Amino acid sequence: ETGVTQSPTHLIKTRGQQVTLRCSSQSGHNTVSWYQQALGQGPQFIFQYYREEENGRGNFPPRFSGLQFPNYSSELNVNALELDDSALYLCASSLAQRNTGELFFGEGSRLTVL
Amino acid sequence: KQEVTQIPAALSVPEGENLVLNCSFTDSAIYNLQWFRQDPGKGLTSLLLIQSSQREQTSGRLNASLDKSSGRSTLYIAASQPGDSATYLCAVMYNQGGKLIFGQGTELSVKP
Repeated sequence: ETGVTQSPTHLIKTRGQQVTLRCSSQSGHNTVSWYQQALGQGPQFIFQYYREEENGRGNFPPRFSGLQFPNYSSELNVNALELDDSALYLCASSLAQRNTGELFFGEGSRLTVL
Repeated sequence: KQEVTQIPAALSVPEGENLVLNCSFTDSAIYNLQWFRQDPGKGLTSLLLIQSSQREQTSGRLNASLDKSSGRSTLYIAASQPGDSATYLCAVMYNQGGKLIFGQGTELSVKP
């Protein structure tokens, strides 16, 4: 059960710019989460969306924001990019009603900030 | 603070060996624990999911165990192959539908 797709796969930005990353959830999944994975580290939770509302947030500043659309696709927006924002951004989807709590991840978007 | 630790950070073994990867977590009141595989520059592939009420899960050559009382999980890989080379991540969920807390991973290299 995969089917989570992310775009773009790679992108390069400069400090101060803004970026939008996109995620298409697995069919039927109504919950989407975003994670940031710095090189050599485990992923860190950014936030989660359920039914188009933010439903939990990790320790990330407000310049990290998101959207979930009625078709359950999602966007991650990062404003005023900093060098430390360079990372792999992972999207994961799940079905809230399924009580296993299993998440399914996409291939990620690799962001490089110069 | 809820933390997940994986030891060792890196492991190199010859092909054919059986091996064990370790994961420990500080708060034993988990909802589930999930093991993932990550190839370089790629996303996460779910390997095994263990619910808090379970002691182990098996898939092919992989076996994951869970001991909540000691805050530990192990991933056992039998008869390792070069294709098993990847980073293995352990992640814990504390609330149904909540966030995953990841360890830093164990980078496994299986030499032919």
